[in-house]
Formats: sequence, C-alpha cells, structure tokens
Amino acid sequence: AQSVTQLGSHVSVSEGALVLLRCNYSSSVPPYLFWYVQYPNQGLQLLLKYTSAATLVKGINDFEAEFKKSETSFHLTKPSAHMSDAAEYFCAVSMDTGRRALTFGSGTRLQVQP
Amino acid sequence: NAGVTQTPKFRILKIGQSMTLQCAQDMNHNYMYWYRQDPGMGLKLIYYSVGAGITDKGEVPNGYNVSRSTTEDFPLRLELAAPSQTSVYFCASSQQGNLGGNEQFFGPGTRLTVL
Repeated sequence: AQSVTQLGSHVSVSEGALVLLRCNYSSSVPPYLFWYVQYPNQGLQLLLKYTSAATLVKGINDFEAEFKKSETSFHLTKPSAHMSDAAEYFCAVSMDTGRRALTFGSGTRLQVQP
Repeated sequence: NAGVTQTPKFRILKIGQSMTLQCAQDMNHNYMYWYRQDPGMGLKLIYYSVGAGITDKGEVPNGYNVSRSTTEDFPLRLELAAPSQTSVYFCASSQQGNLGGNEQFFGPGTRLTVL
C-alpha cells in the first residue's frame, strides 16, 4: 500500500521568501510522485511530477522538487514566493500497475504575506 | 479542447434523493476517475475506469455507482443521498500506457450538499 504525509497543514511566508512544502511517501515499489496546486474553487493543476528520469524536477511557476529515496521525501520548493502562489498544495503518489490512481496527502495551504 | 468538464457546479439534495454527476473528457483518455474531497483532507478515490465498459471500486465506493458506456463520459450516480456524502466531487482523466506516471487532468468539481 502507498501513502503520503504532508507535514504542516498551513504554511505562511512573506512575499519574496523561500517556499518549502514537505512531503514524505511510503511505497513498496518505486513510485511516481506528483505535486498539484488547487486555487480557491477550482480543480487541481499539475505543478510537476517525478517519474524516475531525474531526481530534481522542475515544474511550472519556478517550483521544483527533489526526490530523495533515502529519506522517502519529495519536498516542494520555490526560491521566491509571489502573492499569486497562495493556494492549497497536494502531494500525491501513484503506482505503475493496477488502477494507477493518485493517493493524496491531506494538503498544505500556503499563505503569502505582503 | 475543453478538457474535463463536470456538471452541475453546485447542488443541494435532500436526504434520500438521488442524482447523477456528469463528467466528460474530450482528450480520448482511457482512464477516468472519481474522487471526493472533504474539508481539510486530500482527495479519496471513489471509482475508476480503465476503458469503456470497465469500472472498478476505489477506496470509498459505498453509496455510489458508475458506468462507462463511452470513452468520453463517466457519470457518478448517488442513489440515496446521505449527509455523509456532502463533499466536493472531482472527475479526472489520464492516458495510461504500459508505464504509469502520466498526468491526471481534473475537472472543476461539483460541490454537493445533502441536507
């Protein structure tokens, strides 16, 4: 079985500061890992994904994440927060077989202070 | 392309009523999914389909039914609505081949309240 843990349900940063959202996963086989963003009253949009090609993954809007197998982590970072980054962020894992559905973490709400 | 579309956007049901949430995709994706999102929680899988005519249960299927008669459409049926089904429902689709890891595309969601 696979699972995802997101540490911190709420994170607040100042505009221009580093964004770090934490994600740890549990999987019996090498996983596929995703970060999705959800803006208020909207669906989910893919930020980036890890599919074993490279451990450092770059996504949209200057977000990136690093896959660390030894730490079973896939933390999301952005060097400089922008007001428009305020949203809910979900880490998710899927497998290579079967339903290939996403198993989501509980989400982290990012607040950006001016 | 419209992507994944869902109707209605909002609905209020009385306990015991039934309704169908509609989902359609125009990307010719083989996999389709229904998730529900409860406050402060991640999305949980209700049902999924790997192609027309093939559906299977996810983590939380009780109280729901689905069908997939075409590649494009994947409706979700609630037969006897209960307050526990108050949630936001998302439909998603993806194209999966021999290897997984392909992006899932999400619809805008249906916000359902059961009173």
